[in-house]
Amino acid sequence: QKEVEQNSGPLSVPEGAIASLNCTYSDRVSQSFFWYRQYSGKSPELIMSIYSNGDKEDGRFTAQLNKASQYVSLLIRDSQPSDSATYLCAVDNAGNMLTFGGGTRLMVKP
Amino acid sequence: SAVISQKPSRDICQRGTSLTIQCQVDSQVTMMFWYRQQPGQSLTLIATANQGSEATYESGFVIDKFPISRPNLTFSTLTVSNMSPEDSSIYLCSVLAISGANVLTFGAGSRLTVL
Repeated sequence: QKEVEQNSGPLSVPEGAIASLNCTYSDRVSQSFFWYRQYSGKSPELIMSIYSNGDKEDGRFTAQLNKASQYVSLLIRDSQPSDSATYLCAVDNAGNMLTFGGGTRLMVKP
Repeated sequence: SAVISQKPSRDICQRGTSLTIQCQVDSQVTMMFWYRQQPGQSLTLIATANQGSEATYESGFVIDKFPISRPNLTFSTLTVSNMSPEDSSIYLCSVLAISGANVLTFGAGSRLTVL
């Protein structure tokens, strides 16, 4: 069974620190990887996508992909209280099907 | 990207009844997806709604329990049949975003509570 694993947290970081969120996946043929943010009571929204090994930066967010080790991570620099949410890792396994991890709850304390 | 409207946004239902959730997209899309998010859990794909053919269900989900309609390229419904408290979840409609492949956009979700 294709799996996507995340530490459920909560991950607590002080405001201004770097938050590091990790995700591992089991299917070696996966090609597309996504990070979604979900605020409590809201639907998920895409914040980052990554398709190639290495780093991809977008503002305060950096996604890192290592296909050999089958992990993808999300770094949030200068964390803000408004970043407090659950972060879902999603992996494209077959065509348009996404498998979601269980999510990591991030808490940024002022 | 597409704008998705879902209704109802929330409902409280009695055990044994059925509820139909509607999903309307502001543009034509080939594939629409229905996800379930149980309390404190991640998203699980229920089925893919295809226009002009039967929905494709994922393992653990069956048509009798979750019948889906897809009458055109902008609309779909998901019915949760013969509900039990275990069906209390958020049900999310999603589509592939126009801007990129395999990127999902979600509706606001329908929060169902079954008593």
